[in-house]
Amino acid sequence: NAGVTQTPKFRVLKTGQSMTLLCAQDMNHEYMYWYRQDPGMGLRLIHYSVGEGTTAKGEVPDGYNVSRLKKQNFLLGLESAAPSQTSVYFCAIGAGLRNEQYFGPGTRLTVT
Amino acid sequence: AQSVSQHNHHVILSEAASLELGCNYSYGGTVNLFWYVQYPGQHLQLLLKYFSGDPLVKGIKGFEAEFIKSKFSFNLRKPSVQWSDTAEYFCAVSDTGRRALTFGSGTRLQVQP
Repeated sequence: NAGVTQTPKFRVLKTGQSMTLLCAQDMNHEYMYWYRQDPGMGLRLIHYSVGEGTTAKGEVPDGYNVSRLKKQNFLLGLESAAPSQTSVYFCAIGAGLRNEQYFGPGTRLTVT
Repeated sequence: AQSVSQHNHHVILSEAASLELGCNYSYGGTVNLFWYVQYPGQHLQLLLKYFSGDPLVKGIKGFEAEFIKSKFSFNLRKPSVQWSDTAEYFCAVSDTGRRALTFGSGTRLQVQP
């Protein structure tokens, strides 16, 4: 998985609670992404970053915030979790001239 | 906005059968095309990619895909599947601007021994 780690691996939240998911890379890639995976919907882009200090919205950004204070880390935050955010979250890095994406192991989040 | 369609949602095959999974995309510009595989409980792994040149690309584990520009298609093929190919397969396209991936909804492949 190209040196991409995600913490935590699993988490259960109650509605309204907050949490932060961490994605870390052990290389020097500029591009990093957060996707969510839901059954029958493939993966959908939440937010992405093209370098340290930059972030941008993807297709489904509502309810999430991100930060990229250090190049190696890309954080995804849920300020007030909702059951609709129950999903598996994958982080990815973009590598090479054509930005091939390599994924982390995922975080399974359940919001009750 | 670009989109990707995978028309086969669930495919069941016997071992040694041939496989073809359909992928169609809609995007007017230059695209990069990918197939990813996700084995049960695991993360996505890159199976193969097309950027330019020969429209028939070969990937890992005996998979190949053919890019047909006129049909906006990038179908995945394997001549003879194995039980270990049981997984979910995702087609994806990335645009040259944002460089993020747009995924199809996935095809679940079940190979029976």
